[in-house]
Amino acid sequence: AQRVTQPEKLLSVFKGAPVELKCNYSYSGSPELFWYVQYSRQRLQLLLRHISRESIKGFTADLNKGETSFHLKKPFAQEEDSAMYYCALSGRDAGGTSYGKLTFGQGTILTVHP
Amino acid sequence: DGGITQSPKYLFRKEGQNVTLSCEQNLNHDAMYWYRQDPGQGLRLIYYSQIVNDFQKGDIAEGYSVSREKKESFPLTVTSAQKNPTAFYLCASRSVGGYGYTFGSGTRLTVV
Repeated sequence: AQRVTQPEKLLSVFKGAPVELKCNYSYSGSPELFWYVQYSRQRLQLLLRHISRESIKGFTADLNKGETSFHLKKPFAQEEDSAMYYCALSGRDAGGTSYGKLTFGQGTILTVHP
Repeated sequence: DGGITQSPKYLFRKEGQNVTLSCEQNLNHDAMYWYRQDPGQGLRLIYYSQIVNDFQKGDIAEGYSVSREKKESFPLTVTSAQKNPTAFYLCASRSVGGYGYTFGSGTRLTVV
């Protein structure tokens, strides 16, 4: 079974402060981890995935297999970062192909105050 | 303009009635998914389909049914057996082997 836990339902920071949204997962195989974001009145959209190791809008996330975590970080939060953030996991087979079934965490609402 | 379309945006249903939510995509994606979004519970998978004429139950399939007769379409029926149907429903699609899910704008179902 695959499971994703986001321990914080709400997270508030001030503009310019560092922000870290926590994500822990449980999966016996080789996971594929993602962060999705939902801005107010917009569709849920992909923010980043661990395989690409890229930085999007200043956000980064490192997969820590030892701690089974995939925390999302940004050194200097901006007001426009205020949104709902979901961590998600997809299993992969031995050949590296994703199973496709995506399991989401409960979500964290980030509020960045001016 | 490629994308995934859910309709209607808002839907009201009387108790005891079945209702069908539409999801159409023109992205040529193989796989399609239905999620239910509730406050504090995140997104939970209802049903998914990776190929036409085939679909699998997700984590909360009870009270729901789907069909996948065409690659572009994956309608979800909320039956009268669903005990707590009032929720926000999201449809998504992706290419098999691809990583990016594309989400629809959602349908908010309210039982009155």
